[in-house]
Amino acid sequence: QKEVEQNSGPLSVPEGAIASLNCTYSDRGSQSFFWYRQYSGKSPELIMFIYSNGDKEDGRFTAQLNKASQYVSLLIRDSQPSDSATYLCSVTNQGGKLIFGQGTELSVKP
Amino acid sequence: DTGVSQDPRHKITKRGQNVTFRCDPISEHNRLYWYRQTLGQGPEFLTYFQNEAQLEKSRLLSDRFSAERPKGSFSTLEIQRTEQGDSAMYLCASSLSGQLFSEAFFGQGTRLTVV
Repeated sequence: QKEVEQNSGPLSVPEGAIASLNCTYSDRGSQSFFWYRQYSGKSPELIMFIYSNGDKEDGRFTAQLNKASQYVSLLIRDSQPSDSATYLCSVTNQGGKLIFGQGTELSVKP
Repeated sequence: DTGVSQDPRHKITKRGQNVTFRCDPISEHNRLYWYRQTLGQGPEFLTYFQNEAQLEKSRLLSDRFSAERPKGSFSTLEIQRTEQGDSAMYLCASSLSGQLFSEAFFGQGTRLTVV
């Protein structure tokens, strides 16, 4: 079992739709959860973090965390073509080790 | 200090040669991570440091890979006797420890091609 697993992509949504990205993790001791966005040929950049159960909203982005189910998700509302990228789910453990899932490629069609 | 810096940006080497990459983190960051990324995959954890201490190295990582952070500032990643399978983007990231939320900032990466 991989430590962090994401939906296999690519995920294609029309412009203006909601994109839903999912992630599960294996270590129950994981403390913090992050979503990074990576454009083709570029390095990852942070878009959301969450460490408490529930929802966290930031503009068009909502991160959801369910520690009992070991599940993290990212919703992107009103998706734009500029949101087309690979989205990486990542988690840290108590020691600060940061690991990533394999990423989900999102394509937003105009 | 404008961010995480990696050098070189590109490296082409012949199979069997040794290569060394350098990472300069954001100056106040005490954590430093190394990752390897191939096309279509997420960053694969290699190792990480807190100050000069190497806290963990991936069990999947060959003994040909070694990393150091001698004074708790910059870090080097060395690959000995390179193989074609080592061809990848090598990413370095740094962060500040001691908080639940600590954003890791990435460098631009070093692209290694083994021919």
